[in-house]
Amino acid sequence: DQQVKQNSPSLSVQEGRISILNCDYTNSMFDYFLWYKKYPAEGPTFLISISSIKDKNEDGRFTVFLNKSAKHLSLHIVPSQPGDSAVYFCAQDNAGNMLTFGGGTRLMVKP
Amino acid sequence: DVKVTQSSRYLVKRTGEKVFLECVQDMDHENMFWYRQDPGLGLRLIYFSYDVKMKEKGDIPEGYSVSREKKERFSLILESASTNQTSMYLCASSEKTSKYYNEQFFGPGTRLTVL
Repeated sequence: DQQVKQNSPSLSVQEGRISILNCDYTNSMFDYFLWYKKYPAEGPTFLISISSIKDKNEDGRFTVFLNKSAKHLSLHIVPSQPGDSAVYFCAQDNAGNMLTFGGGTRLMVKP
Repeated sequence: DVKVTQSSRYLVKRTGEKVFLECVQDMDHENMFWYRQDPGLGLRLIYFSYDVKMKEKGDIPEGYSVSREKKERFSLILESASTNQTSMYLCASSEKTSKYYNEQFFGPGTRLTVL
């Protein structure tokens, strides 16, 4: 059973609006969650992280929220741009040199 | 500029062939990883290595082996390719210990098709 789940395989948003990508997890023993972004024909690249002791981390247009009681985190992109169209993966860092990835959500931002 | 390179972007092989996928990183990282990416399943860890000549099984090691003879190079071997190994293969590297989070740096991937 997947420890990290992204239940929405795809999301379509109009340019300028907010994109919200969600991620659920089962293992509460972690130090960080990371979000990666992947364009076609490229490897994933790191986007933003959040520590287990925080409930929010912001970096420009990207904000990640962590709800530990619900075992849920979300990535908000405001405003969304066509260049944000990509597959987004959340990943759990258990401080053991390894990451556990979710299944990914394909975001499409329409001009 | 950090870099992870993979030997091939696209590869087509026949069932039963032995397949080598090569990965090289220039960041002097101790850790290296091999994943496969399939739709809806995300990135699944096949094998990883935390030092030269060291290897550990990931979540789906069956049908694969690895080799790490030099720090910068990590090879994935399919001893006898099968059609269910058709996938995107991604190599990554990271520092051994990180002050904060374990950021992994990925190569561009190899799209392998087994006929």
